[in-house]
Parts: sequence; structure tokens; C-alpha cells
Amino acid sequence: EAGVAQSPRYKIIEKRQSVAFWCNPISGHATLYWYQQILGQGPKLLIQFQNNGVVDDSQLPKDRFSAERLKGVDSTLKIQPAKLEDSAVYLCASSIGTGGFNYGYTFGSGTRLTVV
Amino acid sequence: AQTVTQSQPEMSVQEAETVTLSCTYDTSESNYYLFWYKQPPSRQMILVIRQEAYKQQNATENRFSVNFQKAAKSFSLKISDSQLGDTAMYFCAFMRKGNTGKLIFGQGTTLQVKP
Repeated sequence: EAGVAQSPRYKIIEKRQSVAFWCNPISGHATLYWYQQILGQGPKLLIQFQNNGVVDDSQLPKDRFSAERLKGVDSTLKIQPAKLEDSAVYLCASSIGTGGFNYGYTFGSGTRLTVV
Repeated sequence: AQTVTQSQPEMSVQEAETVTLSCTYDTSESNYYLFWYKQPPSRQMILVIRQEAYKQQNATENRFSVNFQKAAKSFSLKISDSQLGDTAMYFCAFMRKGNTGKLIFGQGTTLQVKP
């Protein structure tokens, strides 16, 4: 089966610019996650979707970050305006559901963002 | 709030030998899951092994096994017969049981397997 697809793989922008990341989950996976992984740290959940509804966005910096999941499939994560501290790898993951033992929880290869 | 701590930033091991990575966590929950993930330079998180907290028996997957001590809130990973392909970052992670899929990760341990 195809994995979780993410693009772009790398992105370099100047501070105060905007950037968007795209994620296509595994077909049939209802739940989609965006994680932020700062260099030298473990990933941190930014936002979680169940179909096209938001389940958890408690750690999303809403003044600059936004995310949407169109028709319960693909998702985009946007940063506007970017700050230097947003430099990180942005990982997308998807799972069949949320109530069980990691139901097919699969990560993509991430987008490495560098803000200069 | 749950926290996960990995106190070993870097570890190294000779090929074919055994290495143990440490992880402790803090939670007031009684039902939860614990995981070890491997992250190679490709950046994709790969599930290595998982443990349900209510199961006393330690999980095993081929060369990988865990030592789960629920009372001590400890969850270490043992890699036997280390191979060069095991070189990667390893993350310990916690998930609360129930209607959630949120993973809480530790800081990671970089493991280098030397020939």
C-alpha cells in the first residue's frame, strides 16, 4: 500500500514569508496528524483531524499557523508569517482510527523547513 | 500532563553486540500504550515495538525487546545482535488509551552501530 505522501521535502524561506506544506494520507485513514520536530527534539503534535474535523489543536500557534483537511483526505499546513524558531521538520501521519493500539499509524518522511 | 524522558542523548555499540536504551515516563493514567520508534536519516518514523500497559508480559519483536516496569514507569528497549542498519535516532513514545491518537515523544537517543 502507498504510504503517507508529503511535499515539498525541503523548503528554505526568509522570516516573515509564508509557506505551506501538503500531506496525502493513506487511503481510508480517517485520522490525520501534523507534528513539529525541532532539531534534537522529539516530535510534538500540532493538530489532529478526524475526517475533516479538528480533534486537537491545543499546541498549534494559531496566530501564525493554520491547517485544513479538505474533504477528509488531503491536508495543508500553513505558516504565515514564519519566524526563525519555526525551523523544523514537519511530519504528517495518518491512522485508521484513534481509539486503539496505533491502528495502522504511519508517518510520512516530512518536510524540512529552514527559516533564514 | 504526560512526559517522556530519554536520558541518553547518544549511545554506541559494536556490531553483533547488545545495547539497551532507557526511557522513563510520567503519567497519572492507568491505561496507556508505550512505543519505540526508529528514525533513520530518511526522517520517516518507523514503529519498532509497542506495549500495552495492562499486559505484564514484555513485548518482543525479533531482535528487539522491552523491559516494562509499570510501577517504576520505565520502558527500556534492548537491541540484540546489533546490525549496521540499526543506526538511527530512537524515540520512546506514550499514548493515552481511549479516543485519542496523540503520541507524546521523548527527546530521542542517537544510536550508532560500529563495524
